[in-house]
Amino acid sequence: EAEVAQSPRYKITEKSQAVAFWCDPISGHATLYWYRQILGQGPELLVQFQDESVVDDSQLPKDRFSAERLKGVDSTLKIQPAELGDSAMYLCASSEGGLNYGYTFGSGTRLTVV
Amino acid sequence: AQSVTQPDIHITVSEGASLELRCNYSYGATPYLFWYVQSPGQGLQLLLKYFSGDTLVQGIKGFEAEFKRSQSSFNLRKPSVHWSDAAEYFCAVGGTGGFKTIFGAGTRLFVKA
Repeated sequence: EAEVAQSPRYKITEKSQAVAFWCDPISGHATLYWYRQILGQGPELLVQFQDESVVDDSQLPKDRFSAERLKGVDSTLKIQPAELGDSAMYLCASSEGGLNYGYTFGSGTRLTVV
Repeated sequence: AQSVTQPDIHITVSEGASLELRCNYSYGATPYLFWYVQSPGQGLQLLLKYFSGDTLVQGIKGFEAEFKRSQSSFNLRKPSVHWSDAAEYFCAVGGTGGFKTIFGAGTRLFVKA
């Protein structure tokens, strides 16, 4: 069964440092999402891509977060500088397109900022 | 505004007993509704989805959910719970016209022997 790949699985970083997460969606999935899940809460959308274009980044803290999907395939989410409040699970998901398909999620990256 | 409420933060059921997890939504048109399951330290897995047609939908792992428009609800059910069902369950609602899919806060299911 096809999977969404994410790396690293775990990341510990000091505050004010830069950190990056990588996601490789299911082949052929045009839509890619980055979600942040704080412990005990549901996932919250950070950014949505359709191919290489950003569709929605209204909840992305743009002063410190950036995301790119240069060739419309894999994607990178970066935080610089990291803050203590950024500690969370960062989930990547992809979809064939259209809400009726639902999303396939990766296993996530657990970020701890110390 | 679009919203999802899962009233129960956690639920404990005995193995073999039936299960119902509640989900209420707020959305102005016909919603797209989903249930996902998340095991500790893992990503979310889609259990089932509804966007039109029969209001009782079947999903994976023996789960089903019923869409009730009059009650703005989409409750998840399973007739007999197994210990491996212990996990966190998320209800989500999405819509057309640029509405993003949003997730509820989740319900943690504990299964006792």
